[in-house]
Order: sequence, then structure tokens, then C-alpha cells
Amino acid sequence: EAGVTQFPSHSVIEKGQTVTLRCDPISGHDNLYWYRRVMGKEIKFLLHFVKESKQDESGMPNNRFLAERTGGTYSTLKVQPAELEDSGVYFCASSQVFTGELFFGEGSRLTVL
Amino acid sequence: AQSVSQHNHHVILSEAASLELGCNYSYGGTVNLFWYVQYPGQHLQLLLKYFSGDPLVKGIKGFEAEFIKSKFSFNLRKPSVQWSDTAEYFCAVNPIGGGADGLTFGKGTHLIIQP
Repeated sequence: EAGVTQFPSHSVIEKGQTVTLRCDPISGHDNLYWYRRVMGKEIKFLLHFVKESKQDESGMPNNRFLAERTGGTYSTLKVQPAELEDSGVYFCASSQVFTGELFFGEGSRLTVL
Repeated sequence: AQSVSQHNHHVILSEAASLELGCNYSYGGTVNLFWYVQYPGQHLQLLLKYFSGDPLVKGIKGFEAEFIKSKFSFNLRKPSVQWSDTAEYFCAVNPIGGGADGLTFGKGTHLIIQP
């Protein structure tokens, strides 16, 4: 069974540019989460989808971040325009039911110069 | 809001030494508790979890953790570590019926096992 996949694994962009991260959850997993880890700090929750609906987006830092999950399958997280403080590793996770046991992707490392 | 505190950010041990990583959380209600591990170059994976029942839970690779409700703690232990246990370990909490949907993680502990 394929795990959670994320693309790209690493992205380097300049301040002001746009980046879109993609996450493909495990097939059949209705719950999809985005997390972010800034260097040296804890992994922080960004948002949670149940199918195509945003269940909780209380962790989204600001309106430069836009997450979508059209059709309830893969999800994208767009940062526009990117700022220096957006640098970090963005993790996606999925789960079949809301039990808290999440399956994580390898993360997308974003570097904003 | 809930928070998770991991006491040690870096731990260096020799093979066969015993391990205990501390984790405390702040949340007054019922919680689900987790330890995740990230081996070098790999994704985060579940080491063990506690939902209810026996507060001593066993996970993969010989790890165990004990939930002590009165101390708001969920410490991770292993009696004899191996070089392959070198990784970063994260404690996480999911409050039941409160807070954000997602897990709240601690800052992680880098564990280095010297051969």
C-alpha cells in the first residue's frame, strides 16, 4: 500500500514568489492534515480536511496560505507571496478515521531566500 | 490551549544503555497520547499510542511508555538501546473534545546512540 506522498521534497524560492505544495494521502483516508515545522521548533498543526471540507483551519498562519482539497483526494497548500519566515518543513498526514493515529509523508522542505 | 513539553532536546547514549525520554502535557481533560519517531531520511512514524486502559503501553522495536495521569506525563522508555535507535522522537497529544483537531507536538528529542 502506498504511503502519503508529498511533492516537491525541497523547494527554494525567493521572497515574494509563490509555491504550491502537494500531498497525496493514503487511498481511502478521508482525513488529511497539514503541519509545519520551522527549524528548531515544534511541529505545528495548520489545518485538517475531512474529504473536501476544511474541518479546522485554526493553525493557518495568515491569508498568504491557501489549502485546497478538491474532490477529496489530493491536497495542495499554496503560499503566496512567500516570506522568509515561511521557511520550514511542511508535513502532510492522513488517517482513515479521526483516531489521532496519523500517517505522515516525508515532508516538503521550503526555503525562502 | 494544550501544550507538550519534552525535557531533553538532545540525548547521547552508548549502545545497551537504558533510555527514558520525558514528556509532559498541559490539558485538564481526556487525551490520546502518542510517540512518533523520525529516523534519518525517513518520514514520521508511530512508535506507540495510548487511548485508554492499561497505562503502560508497548510499541514497536522494544519501546514502551507509561501514562501517569496525576503527573500529566507520558515518558518513553527502552531498557537497552541500539545504534539503529538514533532518530528524533516526538511526543504528541490529541485532546478529546477540545482544542484543535490536530495533534499538538513537543519540540522533539534528538537521540544519538554511539556504537
